[in-house]
Amino acid sequence: GAVVSQHPSWVICKSGTSVKIECRSLDFQATTMFWYRQFPKQSLMLMATSNEGSKATYEQGVEKDKFLINHASLTLSTLTVTSAHPEDSSFYICSVSPGGETQYFGPGTRLLVL
Amino acid sequence: GENVEQHPSTLSVQEGDSAVIKCTYSDSASNYFPWYKQELGKRPQLIIDIRSNVGEKKDQRIAVTLNKTAKHFSLHITETQPEDSAVYFCAASNSNDYKLSFGAGTTVTVRA
Repeated sequence: GAVVSQHPSWVICKSGTSVKIECRSLDFQATTMFWYRQFPKQSLMLMATSNEGSKATYEQGVEKDKFLINHASLTLSTLTVTSAHPEDSSFYICSVSPGGETQYFGPGTRLLVL
Repeated sequence: GENVEQHPSTLSVQEGDSAVIKCTYSDSASNYFPWYKQELGKRPQLIIDIRSNVGEKKDQRIAVTLNKTAKHFSLHITETQPEDSAVYFCAASNSNDYKLSFGAGTTVTVRA
């Protein structure tokens, strides 16, 4: 499978601050990356699809102005949680696709907003 | 959009026995069905997948079956071992956008 990294692996921040999470594809160029959110004991919910060189497409109910996605290169996508609040505390996971349907997941970033 | 339902939510089996997890999907356009294993605090790991042109696929102790007519697919784990204990997710996607819709997950516990 693909090698995908995320940074940071965990972050604790105060309410109202912004947090940036990086997702890197280490062994191939990924034109498409996906961002998911997973609350405790729940399933993965797709937040948005990140396409290199174009605007991300967001799933219904996900605020694009709150969750800023930038896919500036074929190996890096970033998710910025702006003005984070305690209800944004979750496990954020990215996935990359080498093309087609197979997705490989990053190790995830655990966000705790105090 | 696609709706994937997964059952059971929890499954406890004796070591050496088989485990079966079942999923249904709603969108007839879905044509790719992966299964992921997620250990506590870790990333989901792809363990097996099946495409709509195949009815069954096997990889050692793991097998997946697909019934496109009924929109059902299942994961079978034989000769379970304690290291099989994890949460398993089924998912579905189509070749239009490749977005994965996940089931709710099954927590599998293998008793030694």
